[in-house]
Amino acid sequence: DAKTTQPPSMDCAEGRAANLPCNHSTISGNEYVYWYRQIHSQGPQYIIHGLKNNETNEMASLIITEDRKSSTLILPHATLRDTAVYYCIVREGGRDDKIIFGKGTRLHILP
Amino acid sequence: DAGVIQSPRHEVTEMGQEVTLRCKPISGHDYLFWYRQTMMRGLELLIYFNNNVPIDDSGMPEDRFSAKMPNASFSTLKIQPSEPRDSAVYFCASRPTSGDYNEQFFGPGTRLTVL
Repeated sequence: DAKTTQPPSMDCAEGRAANLPCNHSTISGNEYVYWYRQIHSQGPQYIIHGLKNNETNEMASLIITEDRKSSTLILPHATLRDTAVYYCIVREGGRDDKIIFGKGTRLHILP
Repeated sequence: DAGVIQSPRHEVTEMGQEVTLRCKPISGHDYLFWYRQTMMRGLELLIYFNNNVPIDDSGMPEDRFSAKMPNASFSTLKIQPSEPRDSAVYFCASRPTSGDYNEQFFGPGTRLTVL
């Protein structure tokens, strides 16, 4: 079973920041938070990951709370192409562990 | 790099027929994963390989499913005999051996319809 809880869907206006929440209250000390997204009719795509500190790359920012029980993926300037299902995943780093995909959040970017 | 390549992209077959799905991972990647996605069950891991050796096949639904990886650049997922409930999108993914994290790169998928 997925170790994370996400809202089933969210809307965001084009050009605004999209903030996608994820709860992972049972996360253990050596587990990372990963985010993937799946655009319609495509395979999932890696976005970002983090352990404790906030992370930023060319696609998004990841904010992890101090207790690590929740996190937020931020798409700073959402475009229509960001419409997708976003998956928050918790897993140990450097392991062969399976990726357990939950149901994710379906993000709709509104023009 | 061309990314993970899957073929065919679409397959329509009749119940009872054998179906073979193919995957070419990204060159240099040591791990290969097969997933299945349906509306009801979402994205499920079926099996994964490391250095061509199956590591975990606990997600394979039943004996009708089999997967092989004869070399580092090719893998197959076979369903024999196929059933309508096998209709789904099948994804292949690969990743390199790495340190703290392991991003998986997914192919475009094969949409299988069993009539």
